Amino acid sequence: QVQLRESGPGLVKPSGTLSLTCAVSGASISSHNWWAWVRQSPGKGLEWIGEIYPSGNALYNPSLKGRVSISVDKSNDHFSLKLYSVTAADTALYFCARVASSGTVGWLDPWGQGTLVTVSS
Amino acid sequence: SYALTQPPSVSVAPGKTATITCGEDNIATKTVHWYQQKPGQAPVVVIYYDTDRPSGIPERFSGSNSGNTATLTISRVEAGDEADYFCQVWDSSSDRRVFGGGTKLTVL
Repeated sequence: QVQLRESGPGLVKPSGTLSLTCAVSGASISSHNWWAWVRQSPGKGLEWIGEIYPSGNALYNPSLKGRVSISVDKSNDHFSLKLYSVTAADTALYFCARVASSGTVGWLDPWGQGTLVTVSS
Repeated sequence: SYALTQPPSVSVAPGKTATITCGEDNIATKTVHWYQQKPGQAPVVVIYYDTDRPSGIPERFSGSNSGNTATLTISRVEAGDEADYFCQVWDSSSDRRVFGGGTKLTVL
């Protein structure tokens, strides 16, 4: 059974960098799947941040205007998110998820439980 | 920002049928997935590839996709179906994953 778990600081200062890691268990991150980050602002909908293939090829949401970077660590079966120059608008529940089936047209399953990140001084 | 169009809320009596729509021009040319999210929980897929249902999801959940609208139908609605529902596609023209704004299903 594949499980994902997010970890990282719950509080980030404005203009700082948000850094999160997603640990994958029950499967190898080197499998032929994409791995995604999604966030949800309090009381709002889901926003796709980006996703990465084990080769390191990454795709990002254009709305984040180049502030985002996703990397993969195949030796430790985890992938990471960095979001730079954060503001209060980046306060959200951050989820990681696997893209089921090969290719990016697949659905997200499973998801991690999510981790809340607050941007505040 | 780019998002698929969903009604903010749908209300239905127990035992009746709930219909949640997801709109975009020519959405039938895309593959639609549907997620259920209950308070305090991560989303869970209930329909993938327009019409397929994962194991463990009741047969009461079904999906369709035609023209400009994809639809999630929940038959014989139960109190436990009360949740937020999101549709999602992959937009190959811009290489990005797009979600609908979400629909809150209330069971009366």
